Parts: sequence; C-alpha cells; structure tokens
Amino acid sequence: DAKTTQPPSMDCAEGRAANLPCNHSTISGNEYVYWYRQIHSQGPQYIIHGLKNNETNEMASLIITEDRKSSTLILPHATLRDTAVYYCIVRGSGTYKYIFGTGTRLKVLA
Amino acid sequence: DADVTQTPRNRITKTGKRIMLECSQTKGHDRMYWYRQDPGLGLRLIYYSFDVKDINKGEISDGYSVSRQAQAKFSLSLESAIPNQTALYFCATSDLTFGGTDTQYFGPGTRLTVL
Repeated sequence: DAKTTQPPSMDCAEGRAANLPCNHSTISGNEYVYWYRQIHSQGPQYIIHGLKNNETNEMASLIITEDRKSSTLILPHATLRDTAVYYCIVRGSGTYKYIFGTGTRLKVLA
Repeated sequence: DADVTQTPRNRITKTGKRIMLECSQTKGHDRMYWYRQDPGLGLRLIYYSFDVKDINKGEISDGYSVSRQAQAKFSLSLESAIPNQTALYFCATSDLTFGGTDTQYFGPGTRLTVL
C-alpha cells in the first residue's frame, strides 16, 4: 500500500471549511483513498473514500487530484465536535490491510 | 459505531493474569479485526478473521490469541498479561463489497492497563 503524508496539525475556525491535505505520490491505479477520524480515544470513524472521482457524503467531500498523487478532505462547516485526528489511508481494492499513520490533529477553534 | 460493541470498556489487571476482551457486531459482516493503539501512534493489527473458520495473524500477534465464536463475535485473549500490553484495543468489522472495497467500522475501544 502507498504511503501517505499529512501535516501533523491544523487549526480551523468554527463555521469555516476545514481543508485537510494528504500526499500519496506512490499511489497505484487500484488503490483507494480512505479517510477516518478519531475523536479523543474513541474508535476510528469512517468518513469517506474514493478512487478517482471526487466524492461527497453527509459528512465531508473528498477531492482527488487528476494525477491521484494527492487529495483533500473538506469539512464544509467545521464545528467544535470535528476536533479530532484525521487519518488518510491508501489501500488496494480487495485488501483488508489498513495502515494508520500519525494523521493530522485538527483543532476547531470557537 | 453502536453496531460494534466491546466489553469491557476499561480494565485494569495484573501481570501474569489471563484476560479476555470481547467484541460483538450486529452489522452482519463476515470480517472482523483486532487492533491495538499505543499513545501517539497509529493502529496496529493483531489478528483478523474473514469468516468463522478463518483466523489469521496480524503484524503483532505474539502474546495474543483469538476466538471467533460466531459470525458476530470475536474475542481477544491475553494468556499472561504483561505491562507492555497496556494499550487501547479496538475491534473492527467489514465486508467486501461488489466493487472490491472493504470499509472497516470500529468499536468504541477497550482501555487495558496491566500493572
């Protein structure tokens, strides 16, 4: 599975969009980009995943660059409850293996 | 995710004791996993099971064993607990979709302290 690089921490004002970047320059054609978050010491929570196209669900949007070497998770209107560590994971289809790095610690400020 | 439950949520035990952590799921998934998380680190896979008759070691299985009692239940045992097994333990479940993706859903975790 491709390795990912994320900034260790970010701040975002409450009500503003939070844009969390992830680099995955060695991603291969059949590998998906997954995003999870972990609030304090709770279990990781699935947010969204995608292969090539941009994806949106009720929680967030995922923007994947055309060359697929990077992506951005967008929380459109961040709230204090979005304060968490966000993990970007790249994994191949059909594989069970998740490699959790150290993620980005997002702090939403009032 | 309330569909994946873990018991106990917190446990303090002593070195050498046997302890079992239990995981149950109502998502109807075939695949189940056990991870541990140490402070400031990502999750590491201990064991995984793709169905009731399938058990596989993950990257850090030494000192642990598992039992898949049913599709919905997957237990992790520490036969003789030691202090460096103090960690957060997470259970997860998933199912392989038609498209080949495998999204894992995690339980709330068990905080284990070995004195």
